[in-house]
Amino acid sequence: AQSVAQPEDQVNVAEGNPLTVKCTYSVSGNPYLFWYVQYPNRGLQFLLKYITGDNLVKGSYGFEAEFNKSQTSFHLKKPSALVSDSALYFCAVRDDTDKLIFGTGTRLQVFP
Amino acid sequence: NAGVTQTPKFRILKIGQSMTLQCTQDMNHNYMYWYRQDPGMGLKLIYYSVGAGITDKGEVPNGYNVSRSTTEDFPLRLELAAPSQTSVYFCASSLGFSGELFFGEGSRLTVL
Repeated sequence: AQSVAQPEDQVNVAEGNPLTVKCTYSVSGNPYLFWYVQYPNRGLQFLLKYITGDNLVKGSYGFEAEFNKSQTSFHLKKPSALVSDSALYFCAVRDDTDKLIFGTGTRLQVFP
Repeated sequence: NAGVTQTPKFRILKIGQSMTLQCTQDMNHNYMYWYRQDPGMGLKLIYYSVGAGITDKGEVPNGYNVSRSTTEDFPLRLELAAPSQTSVYFCASSLGFSGELFFGEGSRLTVL
């Protein structure tokens, strides 16, 4: 069965430092992978997706994600974190019935 | 361009009451979804629709019903509310299953 895991409930990083939010997946066939961000009391917003092609995907707000097929991972990265990046981040994978399965979310806290 | 609009934003129900969460989108998307979000559990798909007149169950459909009479509207009906239905509900839409989802702001429901 398709699944996605976010092993960290929370990630803390100082402003200006690089950040990584981890995601691993399990699918049959080629994965369609997504990252979404949720700010407090708001709906989720699309950040980026991997369908095929280059393993490094660039998205909104300076975020990027690295697809690694051998490690079945799709980690979200940003070279220099901002306090305003503090939010809840969700990884998602499309399952074999074409619907999205979401991870449990990782809370990112960026400290000044 | 309003995107996806949900009403109400907050509601308190008594056990056994019924209500409808409204969702409308103005992007002419064929695909619409209802998710519930519980702390530490990520998002679970309740129902989805691939077009007017077509609906199907997601992962957690019990206790809910939907209809899709128009492309724009996708209301979610709760019959005989139970405390287990206390959650934040999100409506979303997309052009297709592999496209990005656009989410509403959410509806916070408490059943007492």
